Order: sequence, then C-alpha cells, then structure tokens
Amino acid sequence: SYELTQPPSVSVSPGQTARISCSGDALPKKYGYWYQQKSGQAPVLLIYEDSQRPSGIPERFSGSTSGTIATLTISGAQAEDEADYYCYSTANSGEGVFGGGTKLTVL
Amino acid sequence: EAQLVESGGGLVKPGGSLRLSCAASGLSFNTAWMIWVRQGPGKGLEWVGRIKSKKDGGTIDYAAPVKGRFFISRDDSKSTLYLDMNSLRTEDTGVYYCTIFGVFMGRGYWGQGTLVNVSS
Repeated sequence: SYELTQPPSVSVSPGQTARISCSGDALPKKYGYWYQQKSGQAPVLLIYEDSQRPSGIPERFSGSTSGTIATLTISGAQAEDEADYYCYSTANSGEGVFGGGTKLTVL
Repeated sequence: EAQLVESGGGLVKPGGSLRLSCAASGLSFNTAWMIWVRQGPGKGLEWVGRIKSKKDGGTIDYAAPVKGRFFISRDDSKSTLYLDMNSLRTEDTGVYYCTIFGVFMGRGYWGQGTLVNVSS
C-alpha cells in the first residue's frame, strides 16, 4: 500500500525556520496537503495543492514540492506552533493517505 | 460560517454496529467531496474513506482496513454525511472526524470529532 514518510520529530528555536519533509513516490503527480493538530483539538488545514495557503493561515507557513518530497516550512517559528503536523496525499488508486506525523518542538 | 458537526459515537461491543452522522451548514454540501478520518488513542490520523459529489460521479473509496465493513453515504437534501460501521473491532476505537476534501471558499473545515469506543 502507498505510504508517506515523515520524520517523527523536529526541533526548532523560537524565531528560526523549521522544515518538515514528507516523502512519497506519487507526489510528483498528486497534490500534497499539510495539517496542524494541537493537543486535544481537531486538525487544521495549513497548505493545500502543494503550496496554497487557506485564508486565515499565517504567512509564515508555506509549502513546496520537489520530485518525491513535499516540504512544510515554518519561517520564524513561534511557541504556539508546537503541534503535530501531518502531510496528506492520494495514491494512484484514489485512496487517501496520511503521513505518520511529525511532532514539532519549539525550544 | 461553514460548520461540520459529527454525532453518533459511543460505546459498542466488538462485532456491533454504529452509524455516525456529519451535519454540514453554511456551505454548498452537494458540491463537496467529503472524507472520514479517524485517530486511535495516541496515534496519528488515518484516512477511512471518501465520497465524491454526485456531479463528479459520487464515487466512494475506502481504506483497506475498513473495506467491506464500513459504508459511506450522503444525503444532499439534508446536507448530511454518514458512516455506517459494521463488524466493529477493538482496533476501530478512536475519534472519527469528517472533513471537506480541500477547501471551501478558501478555507478548510473539520468537525469536532466523535468518539467511538469498541470494547466488551
């Protein structure tokens, strides 16, 4: 079955740039999406169609895809950005899949 | 503002059935592709299945672990999405969310989730 691979954890100092990667063979042909989930809350859509930012999402969040790697970049990370981050895409079969999630620590 | 509200979760014995509902308001539900996502205790997000809009064919796809046991449907006249879950297993325990695939009017929307506990 199709898989998206993320690092389990990423650490960043306040004000620095954090990058979270997501690897998947179909990413060159299928859009990537990114979600943020804070403890005890429903996920929030951060990025859709590889690099589009929904209204209301801060500009410090951006997305890009190069080949089989999608990347979520948080420029000037803030303490409130501590959360779990998930990438999402679709397999060639149409089945959806989430990455395993990355825990971002801001310290 | 658009909103999604799930209901129907609860405690059920292994082998039992449950129907979850997701009521949508403030959006063009009939044009939306809808997805069910679940999250087991302490685990990551898991895609359960997706139903396309009727104008896009109404195609339904399921994740392998639920295929043949779970069934997704929609009633556009009621702006409601359903998830019928049968032959429930302990590993189906978790919070179930409904969400719109992609964005609506430039924003993403998720429900607050409903807890399903499969236990004897």
